[in-house]
Amino acid sequence: EPEVTQTPSHQVTQMGQEVILRCVPISNHLYFYWYRQILGQKVEFLVSFYNNEISEKSEIFDDQFSVERPDGSNFTLKIRSTKLEDSAMYFCASRGLDGTNTQYFGPGTRLTVL
Amino acid sequence: AQTVTQSQPEMSVQEAETVTLSCTYDTSESDYYLFWYKQPPSRQMILVIRQEAYKQQNATENRFSVNFQKAAKSFSLKISDSQLGDAAMYFCAYIPSYGKLTFGQGTILTVHP
Repeated sequence: EPEVTQTPSHQVTQMGQEVILRCVPISNHLYFYWYRQILGQKVEFLVSFYNNEISEKSEIFDDQFSVERPDGSNFTLKIRSTKLEDSAMYFCASRGLDGTNTQYFGPGTRLTVL
Repeated sequence: AQTVTQSQPEMSVQEAETVTLSCTYDTSESDYYLFWYKQPPSRQMILVIRQEAYKQQNATENRFSVNFQKAAKSFSLKISDSQLGDAAMYFCAYIPSYGKLTFGQGTILTVHP
């Protein structure tokens, strides 16, 4: 069964450094998402991406964040200058056109900012 | 704005028993979808069950079923014959026809042997 993959599984970085989180969505999906979960809190929407552009973004998704689909398979989230409060689990999700509006999640990347 | 509320921070159940997790939501949309996701200690988000708002019939997936009350904006998850592997955080989530998922706060389910 196809699944969403994410790399790395855990990233440790120093405050102020740039990080890139990578995702490979399910191959025939067209809608891509990033969500964030701070430890012990609920999952929060960051951004959605369709047809090579951002379709919606949350207040969290400020100028420090950017997304890109550099090729036909990868979907990346870049944080330009990480802050301590960016420490969280970051989930990528993708959705197809099967009419069920179901988003399938990757296993997540745990980002730790020191 | 849509909101999703899970009023039970924690629930527990004996193995082989049945447990129901509650969820309410608020929306002005008439067409939407509701989901339950399971998050085990690995923190992976696993789809448990899906309900389309236009369907009156409650969704069922093996031991998992929902009680969808559209007028009351209620969407509870029933787990029958609970197993140790069901222990996890469970999130209720809402999505309109187009857009993002909105999650509830989650309910931690403990299964006692």
